Parts: sequence; structure tokens; C-alpha cells
Amino acid sequence: GAGVSQSPSNKVTEKGKDVELRCDPISGHTALYWYRQSLGQGLEFLIYFQGNSAPDKSGLPSDRFSAERTGGSVSTLTIQRTQQEDSAVYLCASSLGLAGGNNEQFFGPGTRLTVL
Amino acid sequence: GDSVTQMEGPVTLSEEAFLTINCTYTATGYPSLFWYVQYPGEGLQLLLKATKADDKGSNKGFEATYRKETTSFHLEKGSVQVSDSAVYFCALSDRVKTSYDKVIFGPGTSLSVIP
Repeated sequence: GAGVSQSPSNKVTEKGKDVELRCDPISGHTALYWYRQSLGQGLEFLIYFQGNSAPDKSGLPSDRFSAERTGGSVSTLTIQRTQQEDSAVYLCASSLGLAGGNNEQFFGPGTRLTVL
Repeated sequence: GDSVTQMEGPVTLSEEAFLTINCTYTATGYPSLFWYVQYPGEGLQLLLKATKADDKGSNKGFEATYRKETTSFHLEKGSVQVSDSAVYFCALSDRVKTSYDKVIFGPGTSLSVIP
């Protein structure tokens, strides 16, 4: 498809389990972002990738959260030992990442994570 | 740090009513400003943007003007439709400061338009 895709669309897990969320950006987009959208909160920036490296991980809420990107394409966000407060919609976005200009971010539909 | 504030929702309007959603920002640099929209069951999409003071962004009948003197970027539409029901997010990005397109979002305003 032409847009950003994310999988799974919904994930229900038990407290303490690990989860992996996947993002497939638009082909050719070098920049990739993860955000979290919690009920009653805004969109919270988690991490930014340029290619396979992550120059800004400042939004990851704890060391239970990690992300990687391989081949400059697919990214995986991993949450270890999930807690109930991790329940949220996790959004991925990608952009051309060109220097010197504002690059529109295109968002995926999100993964709704529920931790019981 | 940079931040975005927007009016609390939910906002409920009748079809063809005039819409204003207020947005103000705090930034030490010269950010670009955006409105994103999230329709029910869909991902976020860019609605409009403005990259410098006094620019007006417009799309689908929506408009917003970058007002540096009041640090505002209010969203307006003259006649809303039921299909405009969505959550609207005001946002900013300061690429000069961050060297990449880090976007800071407001909390979102839910709009419901009733026939």
C-alpha cells in the first residue's frame, strides 16, 4: 500500500508480558517517528529515526521501552514487562526527512494496546 | 520548552455553524504551525500548515493564520458539515532548533457536528 501501515491494529496483553509493535513506513521515507496517544492525553513523542539510527530517544518513558529500525524501513517498538499505564494507542509516522525544509509526517492507523 | 495549548472539548455544533478552535503556542524560536485531523477510526492527517508569521494555511474550507504577535493559530471554518466530526490537533515544529521535524502536539479538540 501507499501509506504507513502498523500491526497489529489491536493488542491485548497481560501485565508483565512483552509486546512488539510493528511499523512499515512509506517507501523512500528516511525519517520515522513513534508517538503514544493515551486517553485524555495528547500525542506524546517517543523516538525519532533517521535511517537506522535514532538521534532522539528522549521520549521513551522508561528502559522497558526500546525501538529499532532495520534496512532503513520497518521499525519495531518493544515494550518489556508491560504495565497497565502502558495502555494507549501507539502511532507511527514517516516523512522524507530531507534537510532544510519542513517534511510532512504521514501517520499510520495506530496500534491500540491494552494491558490487563 | 515549546508547547501547544488548545481549547478544551468536546465541541458540539449544528451543521452549517461557524467553527473556531483556539490554539496558542509557546516557542523560543520560529516554529512552523500545523493543524492535524483524526477522523473516527482513521490515522492522523495533516489538515493545513503555515511556516512563517502572517501566513494563512487553508484546506477543505478550513483556515488558520499564523499570528506571531499573539502566538496563535486558531482554526476556523465558515460552515461545518457532519463529515467534519473529528479530533483536531494543533501542533508546532521547530526544525531550526531540533534539526529535524519533531512535532509537538496540543491535547486535541473533539468536534461533533449534528445534522
